[in-house]
Amino acid sequence: AQRVTQPEKLLSVFKGAPVELKCNYSYSGSPELFWYVQYSRQRLQLLLRHISRESIKGFTADLNKGETSFHLKKPFAQEEDSAMYYCALRMASGGSYIPTFGRGTSLIVHP
Amino acid sequence: DADVTQTPRNRITKTGKRIMLECSQTKGHDRMYWYRQDPGLGLRLIYYSFDVKDINKGEISDGYSVSRQAQAKFSLSLESAIPNQTALYFCATSVAGENGEQYFGPGTRLTVT
Repeated sequence: AQRVTQPEKLLSVFKGAPVELKCNYSYSGSPELFWYVQYSRQRLQLLLRHISRESIKGFTADLNKGETSFHLKKPFAQEEDSAMYYCALRMASGGSYIPTFGRGTSLIVHP
Repeated sequence: DADVTQTPRNRITKTGKRIMLECSQTKGHDRMYWYRQDPGLGLRLIYYSFDVKDINKGEISDGYSVSRQAQAKFSLSLESAIPNQTALYFCATSVAGENGEQYFGPGTRLTVT
């Protein structure tokens, strides 16, 4: 069975500090991984996905298959980055794709 | 704008009542999902549907049922609500294929007293 682990419920940093939100997964097949973000009073939205290898709002995430990780990083946190972040794993199951979310990490960036 | 909407946005109900949460989308997506969000537990999948004739149980389907009335509509019912079903419920959609992105509704906050 697939599983997504986000070990930190809460991450608190000061503006300008580096940020790393951890995500580890367990899945025997070939995974697709995503980061979603939920700002206060807003709906969840996709932040980035590993297959795009993109940087969004200064955030990057690299899939490390050896360590089964997909950590989200930003070199200099901003106050507007304060939000709930969810790591998600999508697997292929009989040709379908079933998403699994981690428990989320709340990021608070202090001024 | 194409969107995912949920009604009601807030609901307070009593233990034992039957309640329905509705989700509509104008994105033309085939796939629809229902999640519940609880503090510390994240998002957990209740049911999902890959087309009108396809309904599948998710991780926590007990106590819930769904109906896919049309491609654009996916309803979640609590047959007999209980207090531990108090949560924030999200509907989501996605397109079939390899894109993978899910589009979420604004959520329904349900309180069972």
